[in-house]
Amino acid sequence: QQQVRQSPQSLTVWEGGTTVLTCSYEDSTFNYFPWYQQFPGEGPALLISILSVSDKKEDGRFTTFFNKREKKLSLHIIDSQPGDSATYFCAASYGNEKITFGAGTKLTIKP
Amino acid sequence: GPKVLQIPSHQIIDMGQMVTLNCDPVSNHLYFYWYKQILGQQMEFLVNFYNGKVMEKSKLFKDQFSVERPDGSYFTLKIQPTALEDSAVYFCASSFWTANTEVFFGKGTRLTVV
Repeated sequence: QQQVRQSPQSLTVWEGGTTVLTCSYEDSTFNYFPWYQQFPGEGPALLISILSVSDKKEDGRFTTFFNKREKKLSLHIIDSQPGDSATYFCAASYGNEKITFGAGTKLTIKP
Repeated sequence: GPKVLQIPSHQIIDMGQMVTLNCDPVSNHLYFYWYKQILGQQMEFLVNFYNGKVMEKSKLFKDQFSVERPDGSYFTLKIQPTALEDSAVYFCASSFWTANTEVFFGKGTRLTVV
């Protein structure tokens, strides 16, 4: 049972463009939604997170949107850079002791 | 920033043997986790640990798996005996409080069972 669905599986964007990654979830008790960025050979690192009481959070070029009614969230990266090339995981938690990850999106930014 | 250290980075072991993966979590963190990742894809939750006890474990956390953190030292994942399907990258993570606070991951230990 996949509780957090993520799309697309892979994505290529030109440098300077806007990247949009999407996720949906099933468990309505989830209330915390982090996005993780993972480079090859590294562990995931927290990029940005949002609580279910909010619908938008910005951090520089990165913005995450949350739609509680539709159980969807998205990550937008503006002015995408080659250094943003990585695998991005959306995830969800409900204040207990684990994070449930999506399958990941492999993002490639082409110069 | 805070770092979670994992030792070793790569381990090759014969099927049926025992292996122990070591993790040095962030010093003031109270919650500890192990995740399994295959082929750079899905991060699968294995187990979490708090106050000396397993709080939750997934179906992937087979009877052959065990975790402990004796006397505040390394947080370890032991697999005994190992099977071919245990080959994966194992990530240790820690957080100061529950998973609704920032969780920090190590670089992983690549386990190859031959």
